[in-house]
Amino acid sequence: DVKVTQSSRYLVKRTGEKVFLECVQDMDHENMFWYRQDPGLGLRLIYFSYDVKMKEKGDIPEGYSVSREKKERFSLILESASTNQTSMYLCASIMSGVAEAFFGQGTRLTVV
Amino acid sequence: QQQVKQSPQSLIVQKGGISIINCAYENTAFDYFPWYQQFPGKGPALLIAIRPDVSEKKEGRFTISFNKSAKQFSLHIMDSQPGDSATYFCAASNGGGGNKLTFGTGTQLKVEL
Repeated sequence: DVKVTQSSRYLVKRTGEKVFLECVQDMDHENMFWYRQDPGLGLRLIYFSYDVKMKEKGDIPEGYSVSREKKERFSLILESASTNQTSMYLCASIMSGVAEAFFGQGTRLTVV
Repeated sequence: QQQVKQSPQSLIVQKGGISIINCAYENTAFDYFPWYQQFPGKGPALLIAIRPDVSEKKEGRFTISFNKSAKQFSLHIMDSQPGDSATYFCAASNGGGGNKLTFGTGTQLKVEL
């Protein structure tokens, strides 16, 4: 069974903290994505990666960075968390040549 | 820039009725149009998808209608059931750039008994 696992379901962090959100997929997919989901705004793409050590900015990359050292793992980093980064974060993976995206269960991050 | 516009934001339908959600896109390079279904506490999951070489695709009670000239596509849920209550997202991609998906803003569907 296809699986995308996000390391935490819920996180509470303080303003200014460095935050790591981890995502692991077990499907050997080349492409991985980080989205944030906010009511009324849908899913917005933060960053994506189509290969190890490769990364591309999405639509809202400001305040975020990513790391992909291994094919199965894609990390989202909030360098200095701010309250406007309180959101649901979703990781997804897609096999090259196939269009279906598989999502993790999401991490609800609250920055106080 | 909202490349995929989705409406309505919320929808209440009686059990057995038809639910209709609409999306419009701007980028003519898009060539794949999926619908994702999301239940509370879960990530979105692919429901049904269409490519622009056909005008309609049906899977069980779910149908996508596609109008290439109008750059619009819609999801129809026939005989809506309370178990269909979820958030629905339309999306589009163009196959390049790692197949990245551009999503609509979502529709919260509630099916009442």
